[in-house]
Amino acid sequence: AQSVTQLGSHVSVSEGALVLLRCNYSSSVPPYLFWYVQYPNQGLQLLLKYTSAATLVKGINGFEAEFKKSETSFHLTKPSAHMSDAAEYFCAASYNAGNMLTFGGGTRLMVKP
Amino acid sequence: NAGVTQTPKFQVLKTGQSMTLQCAQDMNHEYMSWYRQDPGMGLRLIHYSVGAGITDQGEVPNGYNVSRSTTEDFPLRLLSAAPSQTSVYFCASRVKGGSVTGANVLTFGAGSRLTVL
Repeated sequence: AQSVTQLGSHVSVSEGALVLLRCNYSSSVPPYLFWYVQYPNQGLQLLLKYTSAATLVKGINGFEAEFKKSETSFHLTKPSAHMSDAAEYFCAASYNAGNMLTFGGGTRLMVKP
Repeated sequence: NAGVTQTPKFQVLKTGQSMTLQCAQDMNHEYMSWYRQDPGMGLRLIHYSVGAGITDQGEVPNGYNVSRSTTEDFPLRLLSAAPSQTSVYFCASRVKGGSVTGANVLTFGAGSRLTVL
């Protein structure tokens, strides 16, 4: 079965530090890839998506992700963390451009002042 | 534009009770789905629908029923609740189709937190 793996269920960074959240997918055929963010007591919001147009994808709130086929990865980064970035982040993949979106287990980002 | 609306936000059930989680969207999305969110497991697809009268099973369908009589509504039914169904449930919708530009982008509701005692 296709899967999405997020390394690290919790990541803690200081305000102003680099944010790196890791995501790997399991497929020899690159899927469509997404990062979603969930703020406390809210639904998920799309941060960015990869659909094969460009390997470096820019999203909202200063986040970006780089697709690396050789590493089957789609890691999320932000150069400088802000307190408002504290949330849970989910990587997801759509393997057939169709009806199933497979999510990773999520990474909770904590930002220290 | 309300987007995806879920009710109730919170519910406590006893084992064996039944209930329906409601989901409505006003974006004329053909595709609607239900996910459950459990700690460390991300979101898992329960059931989905690609249009009125059409439903299909996702990854974890057991214990849940769905129907789709209108484009706007996609209720999730628990016929006999079990403690293993304690979770946060999300409804999500999108346009149907395989376009690379946005067909797979889901719009999520705010969630329904269910506790089964």
